[in-house]
Amino acid sequence: DAGVIQSPRHEVTEMGQEVTLRCKPISGHNSLFWYRQTMMRGLELLIYFNNNVPIDDSGMPEDRFSAKMPNASFSTLKIQPSEPRDSAVYFCASSPRRPGGRAAYNEQFFGPGTRLTVL
Amino acid sequence: ILNVEQSPQSLHVQEGDSTNFTCSFPSSNFYALHWYRWETAKSPEALFVMTLNGDEKKKGRISATLNTKEGYSYLYIKGSQPEDSATYLCADADRGSTLGRLYFGRGTQLTVWP
Repeated sequence: DAGVIQSPRHEVTEMGQEVTLRCKPISGHNSLFWYRQTMMRGLELLIYFNNNVPIDDSGMPEDRFSAKMPNASFSTLKIQPSEPRDSAVYFCASSPRRPGGRAAYNEQFFGPGTRLTVL
Repeated sequence: ILNVEQSPQSLHVQEGDSTNFTCSFPSSNFYALHWYRWETAKSPEALFVMTLNGDEKKKGRISATLNTKEGYSYLYIKGSQPEDSATYLCADADRGSTLGRLYFGRGTQLTVWP
């Protein structure tokens, strides 16, 4: 299994540009999470999906951030327009749902992250 | 929002030392407590998922205990090695949802000196 795949691994862009981060979860996993890691706030959840449906986007910092999951094998996180304070590492994670158990019991599998720098 | 606290924030030990650190979380309506290991320049990897009061899990030299009544978990590393250097995160599962959301602590950064 290839694990969670994220692209690009590094992105450098200028303020005001649109940025799109991509994630392919592990096949068969039905929950997908987008996190942002910063020195100030640690690992914070931005949004998560269950069976491709957004469940909670309260962590999305502003309307400049949007996320989609058009199918079970692909998700995007878009920032438009980007600002220097958006510079961070963005992680995608997926989690399986095992029959008969609570989703809380299932570990999350993290992708390698995308390091975003907005100049 | 769940308040997950980890201590200490950072820890430096010599190779061969045993060490432990703490994760505290709200004790009411507990679902599950996760531990993750996060090496520099890599991504977090799950160590343990703990669900029952009194749970004790072990993976090699690393073990963890859980006390849901008082709201804490300990992670122990026996005979620390330089390769154990990483940030150790704990995460509490959301009680209001069945869909697996986790609230992460800020982590304990462990450095093991050879």
